[in-house]
Amino acid sequence: AIQLTQSPSSLSASVGDRVTITCRASQGISSALAWYQQKPGKAPKLLIYDASSLESGVPSRFSGSGSGTDFTLTISSLQPEDFATYYCQQFNSYALTFGGGTKVEIK
Amino acid sequence: QVQLVESGGGVVQPGGSLRLSCAASGFTFSSYGMHWVRQAPGKGLEWVAFIRYDGSNKYYADSVKGRFTISRDNSKNTLYLQMNSLRAEDTAVYYCAKGLEPVPAAMPFDYWGQGTLVTVSS
Repeated sequence: AIQLTQSPSSLSASVGDRVTITCRASQGISSALAWYQQKPGKAPKLLIYDASSLESGVPSRFSGSGSGTDFTLTISSLQPEDFATYYCQQFNSYALTFGGGTKVEIK
Repeated sequence: QVQLVESGGGVVQPGGSLRLSCAASGFTFSSYGMHWVRQAPGKGLEWVAFIRYDGSNKYYADSVKGRFTISRDNSKNTLYLQMNSLRAEDTAVYYCAKGLEPVPAAMPFDYWGQGTLVTVSS
């Protein structure tokens, strides 16, 4: 199965900061990568698909980039409601996999 | 609006069985691939299984292969997960999720249910 490695596993940031999370795949997955946000006790929410396509209704401060094995999720200006855990997911193969998650905490 | 409502979770002994259901509404269920995803307490997300829109193909994570079976009844707009030979490490919140587009390939998930907790313990 394709493994996804997210970094960092956690970070502390302030409101207004620019935040970048990376996801590395163990083999090339073209652009078959999605990003999700999860808040405690809630189901995950789709933010980005096809590596850089913004899901409908998601604020434009979220953006994604990358292809092949290296991907990035960027939050251009962190807002209070963005403190959550973020997961990448590959759907290049039928054995879908998630990254280990990145918890974004308030500094 | 799209709704996915899971049911069937509970406490079961190791080696036991449980069947989860996911009732879907607000979209053409028979056109979309569907997934089960789980999350152990305090842990990350783990994809469990995928079934194509017509039930013709099913795929499983290695951790559940041979023990879990995904199925669907398009006449009832319902997705199922039959779980046998349950182990302590299967303890998790189980979510059903809808594929983003009505295509045969696996897609990311644009809608999720609220989850149902399965606890495997003696």
